[in-house]
Amino acid sequence: GAGVSQTPSNKVTEKGKYVELRCDPISGHTALYWYRQSLGQGPEFLIYFQGTGAADDSGLPNDRFFAVRPEGSVSTLKIQRTERGDSAVYLCASAPTSASTDTQYFGPGTRLTVL
Amino acid sequence: DQQVKQNSPSLSVQEGRISILNCDYTNSMFDYFLWYKKYPAEGPTFLISISSIKDKNEDGRFTVFLNKSAKHLSLHIVPSQPGDSAVYFCAARGTSYDKVIFGPGTSLSVIP
Repeated sequence: GAGVSQTPSNKVTEKGKYVELRCDPISGHTALYWYRQSLGQGPEFLIYFQGTGAADDSGLPNDRFFAVRPEGSVSTLKIQRTERGDSAVYLCASAPTSASTDTQYFGPGTRLTVL
Repeated sequence: DQQVKQNSPSLSVQEGRISILNCDYTNSMFDYFLWYKKYPAEGPTFLISISSIKDKNEDGRFTVFLNKSAKHLSLHIVPSQPGDSAVYFCAARGTSYDKVIFGPGTSLSVIP
């Protein structure tokens, strides 16, 4: 069965450019999460969707970061005016619901490098 | 301020011996704790969890112990196998939906 997929696997961009990172969750999973993982750190929560709506976006570092999930399935994380400090692995995870006992299934991540 | 701490960045264990990975947390509102395992170039995969109403949960070679008064949990792997070599993340969340907070991870190497 298909797991969580993320595209691209690697993205190299120049400072100031705009990037979009895509996440395809497991079919039927209503909860979707974005995390950012910097070197030597654990995943850091960015935003959580329940269905189409962002239920918690408190982890987005600033207004250059935005995420959408228009049909309750695929999600796109958008970063404007990228900075070198945005370089990290961006992880997406999905879960059947948002219940606290639900396991989150992670994708392989997108490694973003801002030059 | 890190709410979930894993103070050992790395750990080496001989194959067949016990691996003990430790985790401390500061937020007393955490009610559910998870361990994830991560291989290079892959996303973390769920390993085992424990609710705050329990002090132990066992699944095969993996056992998680929770000491709420000390705000400490540990993951025991016995016997350790070379395939267990990976980064292990401790994570925690509150009772109702709340964001999952991850620790920085411990890199485990199991030496054949």
